[in-house]
Amino acid sequence: AQSVTQLDSQVPVFEEAPVELRCNYSSSVSVYLFWYVQYPNQGLQLLLKYLSGSTLVESINGFEAEFNKSQTSFHLRKPSVHISDTAEYFCAVSEGGSYIPTFGRGTSLIVHP
Amino acid sequence: GAGVSQSPSNKVTEKGKDVELRCDPISGHTALYWYRQSLGQGLEFLIYFQGNSAPDKSGLPSDRFSAERTGGSVSTLTIQRTQQEDSAVYLCASSRQGGAEEPQHFGDGTRLSIL
Repeated sequence: AQSVTQLDSQVPVFEEAPVELRCNYSSSVSVYLFWYVQYPNQGLQLLLKYLSGSTLVESINGFEAEFNKSQTSFHLRKPSVHISDTAEYFCAVSEGGSYIPTFGRGTSLIVHP
Repeated sequence: GAGVSQSPSNKVTEKGKDVELRCDPISGHTALYWYRQSLGQGLEFLIYFQGNSAPDKSGLPSDRFSAERTGGSVSTLTIQRTQQEDSAVYLCASSRQGGAEEPQHFGDGTRLSIL
């Protein structure tokens, strides 16, 4: 069975600094990987996804994530964060043939001015 | 609307009362999911619908919880004899066909508070 680990429950960072949010998963089969963002009092929104092909995927607002099969990781990075990036970030993994994704417990990104 | 709609957005009720939460998915999406999000916790899967059928109810925490979906569209999650531990945000999501490669589209949730 798959599992998803987001090691950091909270990541404080100053504005314009780089950030990395870590996600590791365990699965014995091929997987699809997702990052979602949740702003206060809202639902989750898709940030980016890896299905196949290039292991580096990017979002429209400057985030990127790299699929590393050997390390079973899908870490999320941004070279320079904004105050508006303050939110909860969830990593999710789906196994081929499964209808139910597994979500990590989330990482709270707090950007300070 | 174009997105997943949930109602009510907030619900406060007394312990022991029944509550009904509603989810209107994106038009044409056959897969529908209910999750529970407690303070500081991740998403807890409750139930998955494909059309009007629920092939996976494994996440429902007790027999006080039930859900149905009619017409392959709107779904309701019912909690009977509510307990304080039921207080949480209940999120609904839909996807086009439920495939593993498909992202989920979430509503803004119903914040349920049991007094």
